[in-house]
Amino acid sequence: AQSVTQPDIHITVSEGASLELRCNYSYGATPYLFWYVQSPGQGLQLLLKYFSGDTLVQGIKGFEAEFKRSQSSFNLRKPSVHWSDAAEYFCAVGVYGGSQGNLIFGKGTKLSVKP
Amino acid sequence: KAGVTQTPRYLIKTRGQQVTLSCSPISGHRSVSWYQQTPGQGLQFLFEYFSETQRNKGNFPGRFSGRQFSNSRSEMNVSTLELGDSALYLCASSPRTEETQYFGPGTRLLVL
Repeated sequence: AQSVTQPDIHITVSEGASLELRCNYSYGATPYLFWYVQSPGQGLQLLLKYFSGDTLVQGIKGFEAEFKRSQSSFNLRKPSVHWSDAAEYFCAVGVYGGSQGNLIFGKGTKLSVKP
Repeated sequence: KAGVTQTPRYLIKTRGQQVTLSCSPISGHRSVSWYQQTPGQGLQFLFEYFSETQRNKGNFPGRFSGRQFSNSRSEMNVSTLELGDSALYLCASSPRTEETQYFGPGTRLLVL
């Protein structure tokens, strides 16, 4: 079955430091990949997506992610974290069909930002 | 364009009751998906509707049902509520299946 793994449950970084959140997926075909962010008590906001083409994709709020097929990874990066980036981040793969649904999500990585 | 809206935002029910949640998609979007989010299980797919037809269903009991209207608005219903149904219920819309999903703010359901 298709799956998404986010190995880090919780990460703490200092404001201004760089950030990398890891995501690995298991999917037989070329995946559609997404990163969403969720603030406490809120819905999910789309940060960026990869469908095809350039493997380095830019998103909102200064985030970027790189698709590496050989490593089945789609890691999220930001060069300088702001306090407002504290939230939970979800990686997802689009599989479109079947009982797992159209989007399969990882368990999420909670980001805390130290002043 | 207005985003996905969900009503109500918060709901408290007791075991055995039933509940109906509503979702209005982004204008022009015809696909609506529902997800349940809990701390233990994470985000789990409930079902997807497209043009008033259920296209896809997750592994949830028959107590969970939904429908979609001709204006693409969708409702989900949970009958005979159990304590374990306490969760954040998220609705997402997209123009069609296999396109990017945009999420609403969710409905927080607490079952006592």
